[in-house]
Amino acid sequence: AQKITQTQPGMFVQEKEAVTLDCTYDTSDPSYGLFWYKQPSSGEMIFLIYQGSYDQQNATEGRYSLNFQKARKSANLVISASQLGDSAMYFCAMRERNYGQNFVFGPGTRLSVLP
Amino acid sequence: DAGVTQSPTHLIKTRGQQVTLRCSPKSGHDTVSWYQQALGQGPQFIFQYYEEEERQRGNFPDRFSGHQFPNYSSELNVNALLLGDSALYLCASSFIPLGGRGTDTQYFGPGTRLTVL
Repeated sequence: AQKITQTQPGMFVQEKEAVTLDCTYDTSDPSYGLFWYKQPSSGEMIFLIYQGSYDQQNATEGRYSLNFQKARKSANLVISASQLGDSAMYFCAMRERNYGQNFVFGPGTRLSVLP
Repeated sequence: DAGVTQSPTHLIKTRGQQVTLRCSPKSGHDTVSWYQQALGQGPQFIFQYYEEEERQRGNFPDRFSGHQFPNYSSELNVNALLLGDSALYLCASSFIPLGGRGTDTQYFGPGTRLTVL
C-alpha cells in the first residue's frame, strides 16, 4: 500500500495567488514526522517545512504553511502569494519513528506558476 | 556553512561496469542517507549510514553497497550496472539527537545523474 499519496500530478496557479498541494499518508506508528520538499529542475531537494505527529499547531515557514489534519491523515502544503520561482516539483515525505530513520516520499506534484 | 556536496555531477557508464558516487554531509551532521530517483518519480531509499555502519537498508539488491568514513563522508558503490540503474542519486545528511528526539530533517545534495548505456 502507498504510504504517501499525492493525487495531483500537476497544478497551475496564477502569480500572487495561494495554492494548496494535497498529501495523505498511511501509518500505524503514533510517532512520525511529515516533510515537504521542493525540487526545481536543477534536481536538488530543498527542505520547506516539517510537522511532527504530536505537534499541536500547524507548522508555518514564511509563505509556506502545513494544514495538518491528523484524523484524516492529511498534511497539505499551502503556498501563499505564489511567485514564478515556486514553479517546481513538490514532494511530501514521511518518517516513521518505529520503522527507522528513512524517509518515504510521495510521487510528487508539479506546480506551474503563471505570470 | 557548507551544505551537502556530491560528486560527480554527471556520469555515463556502460552496462556491467561499476560506479562510485561520493557525498560530503552538511557541517555538524553525522548521518548520511542515499536515495535513487528515477525520472518522474519520488526518491526511493537505498540505505543509511551512521557511525560508519549501515544502519538501515531499503529494497535494493546487494549490487548497491556503501561506506561511511570517519569524517562522516560517504560513498555509494553500484556493481554490474544495469540500464535500469539510470537515475538521479541523491545524498541526504542529518543529525539524530540523543534519545532519537528532534526533527532530524534530512538535507539533500544536488545529486549525481547516472546514465547507463
